[in-house]
Amino acid sequence: DTEVTQTPKHLVMGMTNKKSLKCEQHMGHRAMYWYKQKAKKPPELMFVYSYEKLSINESVPSRFSPECPNSSLLNLHLHALQPEDSALYLCASSQVMQLEKLFFGSGTQLSVL
Amino acid sequence: GIQVEQSPPDLILQEGANSTLRCNFSDSVNNLQWFHQNPWGQLINLFYIPSGTKQNGRLSATTVATERYSLLYISSSQTTDSGVYFCAVTTTMEYGNKLVFGAGTILRVKS
Repeated sequence: DTEVTQTPKHLVMGMTNKKSLKCEQHMGHRAMYWYKQKAKKPPELMFVYSYEKLSINESVPSRFSPECPNSSLLNLHLHALQPEDSALYLCASSQVMQLEKLFFGSGTQLSVL
Repeated sequence: GIQVEQSPPDLILQEGANSTLRCNFSDSVNNLQWFHQNPWGQLINLFYIPSGTKQNGRLSATTVATERYSLLYISSSQTTDSGVYFCAVTTTMEYGNKLVFGAGTILRVKS
């Protein structure tokens, strides 16, 4: 099973809402990532978890809050987002932090109204 | 930091044609990966290729690490090959490894 599963596929939220994005992998990977991608741009790294501990936070605003409940799950909690946060949010995983083959989920298309 | 440049930025092919995409990087890297993002946003890892040549069906990739470039060959292109092709390299930072993406090549295959 070489799949990273993300839910929901689409999300529309207001600026006062709280929502969560979920990601799951069963490949035994110990590194999991959140990326943000704007249209026609490459993915931008947001967070990296290695062995369930936050290893990298790329200066992401606190309205984005990651969580890694266990080695298979990764969440991204959203609160008080801005319209400019509308983007495709991608989860990924790899065996070792940023050194091994990276597998992406299909993403959550987020619209903030 | 390391720079990753992809060329061409855009490419239009007639179905059945062959093409070569290039990725240049400015410093030594630990590995290199090629990805295809389809029009629905799904990013598929095509190759993990720090050096040498690999083939997968109609696609093949070659990385010459000493000369800091990689090539992705698409033969007998099909409309399903359309999308964006990204190369990404891993470089070592103070806090560990970091994956750096190029800007991508947008490919459109016409039937």
